[in-house]
Amino acid sequence: AQSVTQPDIHITVSEGASLELRCNYSYGATPYLFWYVQSPGQGLQLLLKYFSGDTLVQGIKGFEAEFKRSQSSFNLRKPSVHWSDAAEYFCAVGAGSGNTGKLIFGQGTTLQVKP
Amino acid sequence: DVKVTQSSRYLVKRTGEKVFLECVQDMDHENMFWYRQDPGLGLRLIYFSYDVKMKEKGDIPEGYSVSREKKERFSLILESASTNQTSMYLCASSFTYAGQDTQYFGPGTRLTVL
Repeated sequence: AQSVTQPDIHITVSEGASLELRCNYSYGATPYLFWYVQSPGQGLQLLLKYFSGDTLVQGIKGFEAEFKRSQSSFNLRKPSVHWSDAAEYFCAVGAGSGNTGKLIFGQGTTLQVKP
Repeated sequence: DVKVTQSSRYLVKRTGEKVFLECVQDMDHENMFWYRQDPGLGLRLIYFSYDVKMKEKGDIPEGYSVSREKKERFSLILESASTNQTSMYLCASSFTYAGQDTQYFGPGTRLTVL
């Protein structure tokens, strides 16, 4: 069965420091992978996605993620974190057959940014 | 920009009430989804629909039903609300093109059942 694991429930970094959020997936075929961000009380906003091609994907707000098939990982990175990046981050894998586009989500990682 | 709207941001209902959560998207997307979000559990799929009048069960459909009479609108129905349905409910829509599909989310409805 498809699954997504985000090993870190909560991460705290200092403003200006680099960030890496981990995501591991289990999927039988080539996965479609996504990172979403959710600010408090808001819906989910798409940060970036990987469907095929270049394994290093650039997203909005200065985020990037790298697909590593050998490690079944899709980690999210940012070189310098801003206080406004404090939010909850979700990794997801496309799990649908046909054209339904179902997603399986990880449990989420809450990012706290220290001044 | 894709816009997905949900009828209420906050809703308080009593046990046993029938509850309707409405979701509307303005991008002519074929697919629509309802999730619930609970702390530590991430998002779990309740129901989805890939066409008007079509629906499929997700991972946790018990206690819920859905309706899709028009392409842009997807309703989630709690026939008899219970306290364990207190949660954040998120709607999403997407379309599939060249095998690629991206979901866009609404702002969510925080439902409290007393």
